Amino acid sequence: GAGVSQSPSNKVTEKGKDVELRCDPISGHTALYWYRQRLGQGLEFLIYFQGNSAPDKSGLPSDRFSAERTGESVSTLTIQRTQQEDSAVYLCASSLTPGGGNYGYTFGSGTRLTVV
Amino acid sequence: AQSVAQPEDQVNVAEGNPLTVKCTYSVSGNPYLFWYVQYPNRGLQFLLKYITGDNLVKGSYGFEAEFNKSQTSFHLKKPSALVSDSALYFCAVRAYSGNTPLVFGKGTRLSVIA
Repeated sequence: GAGVSQSPSNKVTEKGKDVELRCDPISGHTALYWYRQRLGQGLEFLIYFQGNSAPDKSGLPSDRFSAERTGESVSTLTIQRTQQEDSAVYLCASSLTPGGGNYGYTFGSGTRLTVV
Repeated sequence: AQSVAQPEDQVNVAEGNPLTVKCTYSVSGNPYLFWYVQYPNRGLQFLLKYITGDNLVKGSYGFEAEFNKSQTSFHLKKPSALVSDSALYFCAVRAYSGNTPLVFGKGTRLSVIA
């Protein structure tokens, strides 16, 4: 597609429920990243996929968080047993080359998750 | 480990005046440095980058940034601010070598007053 697409744009869920967030990267972009932006905070790295390599999961805050990516296409971020501190905007980005290369990342508009 | 510091949470400037948004970084080896801008309810947009070469890099919307290796800084500048420049600005860094993801600063909110 023309840009990075994320869905849903907004999600309100009850504490303890599981949620699944979706990211559709730019076609041909081999790298895909998930970041979290809490209110008034910077971007917190969560996970990074590069082609068929094992993902870099070093930023996942707990084992309630997991992510999958099918080949070089769609990725889903799953949060199990959501907690109120999970409330944030979840941003997905993709890049043509590993690590962003000379062109940086293209970001989606994000999913605003609210846990009540 | 890589890190970025944006020491100002908020910068206020009058329209037409020059603006500076500060960024310092820490990385092993040479850095890739980026600035992104986030408008309300929008995703982050790429502004400019430093990879190698001239220390002064020019980007979108009249912005520029100066790489200073000795001070490990990459301050964002614009000679004449516009009200439409009001947004949240993020500095980001990664090591030149390897494929580590970008590390972002906490962001600086720029407010340009008419």
